[in-house]
Amino acid sequence: DGGITQSPKYLFRKEGQNVTLSCEQNLNHDAMYWYRQDPGQGLRLIYYSQIVNDFQKGDIAEGYSVSREKKESFPLTVTSAQKNPTAFYLCASSGWDRRTYSGANVLTFGAGSRLTVL
Amino acid sequence: QQQVKQSPQSLIVQKGGISIINCAYENTAFDYFPWYQQFPGKGPALLIAIRPDVSEKKEGRFTISFNKSAKQFSLHIMDSQPGDSATYFCAASISGNTPLVFGKGTRLSVIA
Repeated sequence: DGGITQSPKYLFRKEGQNVTLSCEQNLNHDAMYWYRQDPGQGLRLIYYSQIVNDFQKGDIAEGYSVSREKKESFPLTVTSAQKNPTAFYLCASSGWDRRTYSGANVLTFGAGSRLTVL
Repeated sequence: QQQVKQSPQSLIVQKGGISIINCAYENTAFDYFPWYQQFPGKGPALLIAIRPDVSEKKEGRFTISFNKSAKQFSLHIMDSQPGDSATYFCAASISGNTPLVFGKGTRLSVIA
């Protein structure tokens, strides 16, 4: 089945450590995204990539880094510079929406990774 | 700057009742308005979406109402069921290449 795989599902780290969250998709989607979810804050965009070897900052990119060396993969590194890293992280990819109308992008999300910094 | 404002933050509805969640947007260039449903511990999933050239879109028990002049859109869940209990997010984007901008979410609880 096509989809997005995020790993690990749960991750505990000490303050000051960098941590990398994995995101892999087999949907052949060009675009990939990372969102952060905090209670009552909705989904906030961290980084996104529309093509391989290119990515753009979202609204809350500070303290995060990404790479897009392969179409299928878009890992997110939470660095020690991120002041409040404890959160639920969601990876998504997008392709054309056949259900609504051509030309729209539909996000397909992974199951998320919950990071807790102790 | 919050581009999509969603209300209410939480909602409790009796089984069989109508659940209504509202969103307002600021950017008149937005032309794609989806709703996502998220169950605890899972990623959100597309529920229904609308484009601004129609005022209403219905899929089963779920309906989006769209008011372009007021820059508002809403999700109506008819005959709400306990299985509909989830967090709902509205979103907006300029179709093509811009990322979705999400509202803050509404936690819906449908009680028997």
